Amino acid sequence: EPEVTQTPSHQVTQMGQEVILRCVPISNHLYFYWYRQILGQKVEFLVSFYNNEISEKSEIFDDQFSVERPDGSNFTLKIRSTKLEDSAMYFCASSVDRASGYTFGSGTRLTVV
Amino acid sequence: KNEVEQSPQNLTAQEGEFITINCSYSVGISALHWLQQHPGGGIVSLFMLSSGKKKHGRLIATINIQEKHSSLHITASHPRDSAVYICAVYNNDMRFGAGTRLTVKP
Repeated sequence: EPEVTQTPSHQVTQMGQEVILRCVPISNHLYFYWYRQILGQKVEFLVSFYNNEISEKSEIFDDQFSVERPDGSNFTLKIRSTKLEDSAMYFCASSVDRASGYTFGSGTRLTVV
Repeated sequence: KNEVEQSPQNLTAQEGEFITINCSYSVGISALHWLQQHPGGGIVSLFMLSSGKKKHGRLIATINIQEKHSSLHITASHPRDSAVYICAVYNNDMRFGAGTRLTVKP
């Protein structure tokens, strides 16, 4: 069964450093999403991406965050200058269209020290 | 008040029991999702609903748009069903409930 692949599975970074989280969505999917889940809290929407541009973003997705689809397969989330409070599990998801179910990646656990 | 409320927060059942998890929401939506989060953290999409009822194996999801309420039912529960079940509603973005932690004991 096709799956969404996220790398790395765990990343530790120093506060103030830039990190790039990588995702390979399912090949025929057109909509891409990033979510985060701070330990012990609920999942939060960050951003959705379609047709090479951001379609929606939440209040969390400020100027420190950016997304990119640099080639036909990867979908990346960049955090420019990480803060301690960015420590969380980050999930990528993709879907064929808005009316279809999502497929989630297994997540990247980001730890900012 | 949270836009998406789930109940119960925690649920313990014996193997074989019929389980119901509820979700109420306060915003207009175009779709509602039920997700399963495994102990390791991975998330699986179970259902996406905009009306009526869907069934997949032992899982049934229903939604009442007028009442802004959805239920997830598990028939003949099994220990492998132990997970956190999350309700999420979609309009222009996705809003998540806090999840229901289900433990099914053998």
